[in-house]
Amino acid sequence: AQSVTQLDSQVPVFEEAPVELRCNYSSSVSVYLFWYVQYPNQGLQLLLKYLSGSTLVKGINGFEAEFNKSQTSFHLRKPSVHISDTAEYFCAVHTGTASKLTFGTGTRLQVTL
Amino acid sequence: DGGITQSPKYLFRKEGQNVTLSCEQNLNHDAMYWYRQDPGQGLRLIYYSQIVNDFQKGDIAEGYSVSREKKESFPLTVTSAQKNPTAFYLCASSIAGTSGPFLYNEQFFGPGTRLTVL
Repeated sequence: AQSVTQLDSQVPVFEEAPVELRCNYSSSVSVYLFWYVQYPNQGLQLLLKYLSGSTLVKGINGFEAEFNKSQTSFHLRKPSVHISDTAEYFCAVHTGTASKLTFGTGTRLQVTL
Repeated sequence: DGGITQSPKYLFRKEGQNVTLSCEQNLNHDAMYWYRQDPGQGLRLIYYSQIVNDFQKGDIAEGYSVSREKKESFPLTVTSAQKNPTAFYLCASSIAGTSGPFLYNEQFFGPGTRLTVL
């Protein structure tokens, strides 16, 4: 069975600083990986996804992530964050059939001045 | 505009009452999903449906029921058998893939319903 681990429940960072949100997964088969963002009291919005091909994936709002098969990781990065990036970020892995997603427990990114 | 709507946004119910959460989509998606979100636990799949008149249990289906009589609609009933129903409920939809990398298609999420049982 697949699983996703987001070790950091909260990440505080100053505006314009770089940030990395960590995601590790476990799976015995090929995986498809995703990052979603959730603003307070809203649904989830897809930031980016890795299905195949280049291991460096660029998404919306200046975010990117790198798929590392040997380290089973899919860390999310942004070189310079903005106050508006304050939100909860979820890593997810596709599981088997029926497009089921397994989500991590989320990382709350708090950007301050 | 195409999208997913969930109503109501906030819902209060007394303990022991059944309650139905609405989810409607006009994206022409075949697949629909219900998730439950609790603080610090991420999202957990309750039920999903790949096609009209068919649905499968997710990871935490006990105490919940669904129906899929129309492609556009996938209502969720939280029954009195659900021990701890207070949570944020999210509905999602996607194109139903069939094989290879197209097996997965992006899930689009609704704005959610926050259910509080008093």
